[in-house]
Amino acid sequence: QKEVEQDPGPLSVPEGAIVSLNCTYSNSAFQYFMWYRQYSRKGPELLMYTYSSGNKEDGRFTAQVDKSSKYISLFIRDSQPSDSATYLCAQSDDYKLSFGAGTTVTVRA
Amino acid sequence: ETGVTQSPTHLIKTRGQQVTLRCSSQSGHNTVSWYQQALGQGPQFIFQYYREEENGRGNFPPRFSGLQFPNYSSELNVNALELDDSALYLCASTDPGQDQETQYFGPGTRLLVL
Repeated sequence: QKEVEQDPGPLSVPEGAIVSLNCTYSNSAFQYFMWYRQYSRKGPELLMYTYSSGNKEDGRFTAQVDKSSKYISLFIRDSQPSDSATYLCAQSDDYKLSFGAGTTVTVRA
Repeated sequence: ETGVTQSPTHLIKTRGQQVTLRCSSQSGHNTVSWYQQALGQGPQFIFQYYREEENGRGNFPPRFSGLQFPNYSSELNVNALELDDSALYLCASTDPGQDQETQYFGPGTRLLVL
């Protein structure tokens, strides 16, 4: 079993829609949770970073962590064509990050 | 403040050859991690360097090795290249003033092994 499982997508939505991305993880020791955005042929860019359970909001982005069900989510409100990218969830295990496979999102103008 | 830089951007090698990839960490960042990202997959942790010592290692064979220099830049060396080593190799650095979990990635080196 992979440590982090992510809905593979791809996902295509019209501009202005809400994008919902999800991951599950198996290691209950994970405490830190991140979402990275990766544009084609670029390195991952840190979007959101949360510790333990709860919600965190940053502009149009909201990250949710439910440690009881080992489930993390990212919501993008009022999506824009510039949000088209691959989104990677990641969890931290001391010194290393464990990533999901990524979900490719396309926002249609 | 410059971000993480990597060189070269692209590289083509043949099976059995050796390759060295380079990374300059973000200014002031003393920890460097290396990841391998195969096409359509998330990055996989190779190893991390802190103060010129290996600080942790993922599930990669010994032919993957690294170095960190006093200026915190780093190299990834891969010997006896195999076809499956074709991937995007990412370097990430960590700000000592932030949590160790906050890693900032470079643009990567795309390696193709023929």
